[in-house]
Amino acid sequence: QKEVEQNSGPLSVPEGAIASLNCTYSDRGSQSFFWYRQYSGKSPELIMSIYSNGDKEDGRFTAQLNKASQYVSLLIRDSQPSDSATYLCAVNERVDGTASKLTFGTGTRLQVTL
Amino acid sequence: GAGVSQSPSNKVTEKGKDVELRCDPISGHTALYWYRQSLGQGLEFLIYFQGNSAPDKSGLPSDRFSAERTGGSVSTLTIQRTQQEDSAVYLCASSPDSGGTDTQYFGPGTRLTVL
Repeated sequence: QKEVEQNSGPLSVPEGAIASLNCTYSDRGSQSFFWYRQYSGKSPELIMSIYSNGDKEDGRFTAQLNKASQYVSLLIRDSQPSDSATYLCAVNERVDGTASKLTFGTGTRLQVTL
Repeated sequence: GAGVSQSPSNKVTEKGKDVELRCDPISGHTALYWYRQSLGQGLEFLIYFQGNSAPDKSGLPSDRFSAERTGGSVSTLTIQRTQQEDSAVYLCASSPDSGGTDTQYFGPGTRLTVL
């Protein structure tokens, strides 16, 4: 059973601080990694995707991938109260030779305090 | 363009009844996924379609659950003889292909309540 692990939180950070969200995965063959944000009562929405080792920056968000350590993280700089949500890590998992699906972690709840 | 749509948005049913949940993916998306999310829980994978075929049905929790997709577009998730533990939000997502490298776009979900 392929697994994606996240700390459920809540992770509480003050406004303006950096929030660091972490995720580990078990499938060494995974090639694609995603971070989704889910507000309470809403559907997940994509924040970042990353496919190669290293950092990928998009505005206040930075995704970091280390395939050797099977570790992916999301940094949110200058955290805002509107960033308060559950952040889901998703990793692709091969189904057969050509197809794959995403496996989601259970999510980390982030609270940005004033 | 239009996103993923799901209907109904809410469904309340009595234990033992059958329900059908519908998903309209983004036009042209070949891959379609069904997930279930219970209150305060993560996303539970149910089934995945590539075109009209389902390479992975491993997440269906019991034989009361079935899904089909016709014309490579609309999908229907059917739950027979519903039980109270089936109460959850059922989410549908689509992506341009099945490679897993493409983003999945989620619909608004159907909230199912089994009394």
